[in-house]
Amino acid sequence: DAMVIQNPRYQVTQFGKPVTLSCSQTLNHNVMYWYQQKSSQAPKLLFHYYDKDFNNEADTPDNFQSRRPNTSFCFLDIRSPGLGDAAMYLCATSIPSGGAETQYFGPGTRLLVL
Amino acid sequence: DQQVKQNSPSLSVQEGRISILNCDYTNSMFDYFLWYKKYPAEGPTFLISISSIKDKNEDGRFTVFLNKSAKHLSLHIVPSQPGDSAVYFCAASASNYQLIWGAGTKLIIKP
Repeated sequence: DAMVIQNPRYQVTQFGKPVTLSCSQTLNHNVMYWYQQKSSQAPKLLFHYYDKDFNNEADTPDNFQSRRPNTSFCFLDIRSPGLGDAAMYLCATSIPSGGAETQYFGPGTRLLVL
Repeated sequence: DQQVKQNSPSLSVQEGRISILNCDYTNSMFDYFLWYKKYPAEGPTFLISISSIKDKNEDGRFTVFLNKSAKHLSLHIVPSQPGDSAVYFCAASASNYQLIWGAGTKLIIKP
């Protein structure tokens, strides 16, 4: 089945220790997104890629970086995680549809910062 | 400034009855609306969407209604089932990639 896969599902890191979260998709979608979600709040968009074009949200901290080496994979790098970065990180994909894009989400990676 | 509002943080409905979740928006440029369902510790799952050129879209037990003049949309689930217990997010877009999300409504289906 076509899907969005996130690994690992749970990640524990230490304060200040870099961590990388990964996302892959078999949907062959052009657009990939990274969101941060805390508790049951609405997901907060960090950045997105349209193919290789990177788009950073204005309020995304510099601590968060991303890489998309090819269509299928996208990585979220947190250079120096703080306690406030503990959250669920969601990857999503979509295909351009003239403004009617539906985003499909992976299961998320829950990050714990000790 | 919240452009998409879900004013009910939670809703409790008897199994078998209709669940109605509401969403209001302020930006008249929004032209595509989506509902997502989220279980704890999982990513949101796409449920149903509607374009601004329509006022109703139906998919099985789920129906979304759009009232553009009132800037209001609602999700109807009938009949409600225990597996429908989740947080439901309303989201909107204005012909671009960014989704503007509501704060979510926690739906509890009582047996």
